[in-house]
Amino acid sequence: SQKIEQNSEALNIQEGKTATLTCNYTNYSPAYLQWYRQDPGRGPVFLLLIRENEKEKRKERLKVTFDTTLKQSLFHITASQPADSATYLCGGEDSWGKLQFGAGTQVVVTP
Amino acid sequence: DSGVTQTPKHLITATGQRVTLRCSPRSGDLSVYWYQQSLDQGLQFLIQYYNGEERAKGNILERFSAQQFPDLHSELNLSSLELGDSALYFCASSVALAGPYEQYFGPGTRLTVT
Repeated sequence: SQKIEQNSEALNIQEGKTATLTCNYTNYSPAYLQWYRQDPGRGPVFLLLIRENEKEKRKERLKVTFDTTLKQSLFHITASQPADSATYLCGGEDSWGKLQFGAGTQVVVTP
Repeated sequence: DSGVTQTPKHLITATGQRVTLRCSPRSGDLSVYWYQQSLDQGLQFLIQYYNGEERAKGNILERFSAQQFPDLHSELNLSSLELGDSALYFCASSVALAGPYEQYFGPGTRLTVT
């Protein structure tokens, strides 16, 4: 079955460092991947979208890559701040045009 | 503020009951999606409507149904509720039927079944 997998372990990182999150997909080839941020008890908020023919996308301190050979996307938060602490969701469009999400990775940035 | 509204914010009900969750999409968006999020399952796609028509279904239980009205608001109906239906239910909207368009999520409805 089609799967989107994210590292389920929380990522603890010191302020100012770069956080790197991984999203792997299996048994399908999404045309694009989307990354969302979710704070506890709130709805996800869109951050970035990357198409399969794009290698890299940037937005302020955020960078996402898409490697179709490795079937993987990496999401980077540079110069991380405590306010970046949240859960980050990766979503890929499946064969039916639906966005399928991974379980999310929690990021904790400590001062 | 995403522009997507959901009511109610919280709902507590007993097993066997039926509830209706309501969603108003962002102005101009024709697609409405419903998701269920529980601690052990993550964000699970339930169903999509586009301009009043059902367009895609996920692993939605037969006890659950939805509809989108002419004014584009949507309702998710959950019946014969079980303890396992306790979760956060999110509605999202998008401008298009499919494709690389971001989804705007509402604040969610927290359902507790006792």
